Amino acid sequence: DAGITQSPRHKVTETGTPVTLRCHQTENHRYMYWYRQDPGHGLRLIHYSYGVKDTDKGEVSDGYSVSRSKTEDFLLTLESATSSQTSVYFCAIKEVDNQETQYFGPGTRLLVL
Amino acid sequence: SQQGEEDPQALSIQEGENATMNCSYKTSINNLQWYRQNSGRGLVHLILIRSNEREKHSGRLRVTLDTSKKSSSLLITASRAADTASYFCATAANTGTASKLTFGTGTRLQVTL
Repeated sequence: DAGITQSPRHKVTETGTPVTLRCHQTENHRYMYWYRQDPGHGLRLIHYSYGVKDTDKGEVSDGYSVSRSKTEDFLLTLESATSSQTSVYFCAIKEVDNQETQYFGPGTRLLVL
Repeated sequence: SQQGEEDPQALSIQEGENATMNCSYKTSINNLQWYRQNSGRGLVHLILIRSNEREKHSGRLRVTLDTSKKSSSLLITASRAADTASYFCATAANTGTASKLTFGTGTRLQVTL
């Protein structure tokens, strides 16, 4: 998993509550990504980061925010969780600038009731 | 969205047979990648083919790319039970160094003994 951990691995929460997912990497890679995976949609990019405090939106960013205050951590926050945000969330990193392969964490399974 | 479509959605073969899965995409790309996902796990990179390449091999994997048809195929030869997984294509557009990937919907491969 290229030194990538995600926490929590499983979470059940209620509609309207805030939720923060954490992605942690141990190798100081510059690029980090958050995806969600849903049946029939493959993986879709939520947000990504290209450095500390440098983030940008992906394809499905509505309802999500991110923060990266240090290289090793990329946080994904659902400000007010909705049932449509029930999904499996994957974090990924890209090792170097000129390499385009991404390496994925183990995923976080989120259920919003 | 330039999300790829994969075909077939599901494929069941016997051990020793070859498995072929196809990916189509919509817009110009810099490269196309294939990933494997075992059940309940993160994605693992298999192979990358650049837009100026037509065919690439890696062990039992053979990937082709036809940019005129905006399509790619992944061939797994002499399949094994351990090849049972979902396979995703992902395209990378020329978006600077962030290399955002757009994933297809995946092919579920089942290899039986």
